[in-house]
Amino acid sequence: EAGVTQFPSHSVIEKGQTVTLRCDPISGHDNLYWYRRVMGKEIKFLLHFVKESKQDESGMPNNRFLAERTGGTYSTLKVQPAELEDSGVYFCASSHLAMYNSYNEQFFGPGTRLTVL
Amino acid sequence: DQQVKQNSPSLSVQEGRISILNCDYTNSMFDYFLWYKKYPAEGPTFLISISSIKDKNEDGRFTVFLNKSAKHLSLHIVPSQPGDSAVYFCAAGVERSQGNLIFGKGTKLSVKP
Repeated sequence: EAGVTQFPSHSVIEKGQTVTLRCDPISGHDNLYWYRRVMGKEIKFLLHFVKESKQDESGMPNNRFLAERTGGTYSTLKVQPAELEDSGVYFCASSHLAMYNSYNEQFFGPGTRLTVL
Repeated sequence: DQQVKQNSPSLSVQEGRISILNCDYTNSMFDYFLWYKKYPAEGPTFLISISSIKDKNEDGRFTVFLNKSAKHLSLHIVPSQPGDSAVYFCAAGVERSQGNLIFGKGTKLSVKP
């Protein structure tokens, strides 16, 4: 079974440009999450999809970030316009929907390293 | 304010000895805890988890202990191997929500031959 894949693995852009990151979750996983790790700090939650619906987007930094998951399969995260502080590694994770009062482990992709110059 | 804290940024252990990685949390709502292992240029890999209804979970060389009254958990690796050298992240979540995980900053473990 293929794991979570992310594209691109690296992206270097200039301040003010637009970048779109893509995540393909594990097949059959309805939960999809975006996280970000900045400058060796903790991995921070950005948002959570259940199928195509945004379940929780409380971690999104501001309205320059837009996430979509059309059809409940792959997801994209667009940053427009990019700022210097957006640099970091963006991780995507996915998991099965769990039964009530249980928890399914999240499987992470390799991440996209974004550098904004 | 950090809800999950890993106060040791790094740990060095001799091969064959025990590695103990610690994690503290502040939010009483957390009822599920996970450890992830991360190699450079890779995503975090799930290692082991524990629900708050338990105080210990074991999987091979890895054991996680949970002390709810102290809001503390630890990961024991016995015996440690050079391939265990990686950054270990503690994470916490709320079972019912299936939502986001809150991560600590990680502890870099170095196992020396």
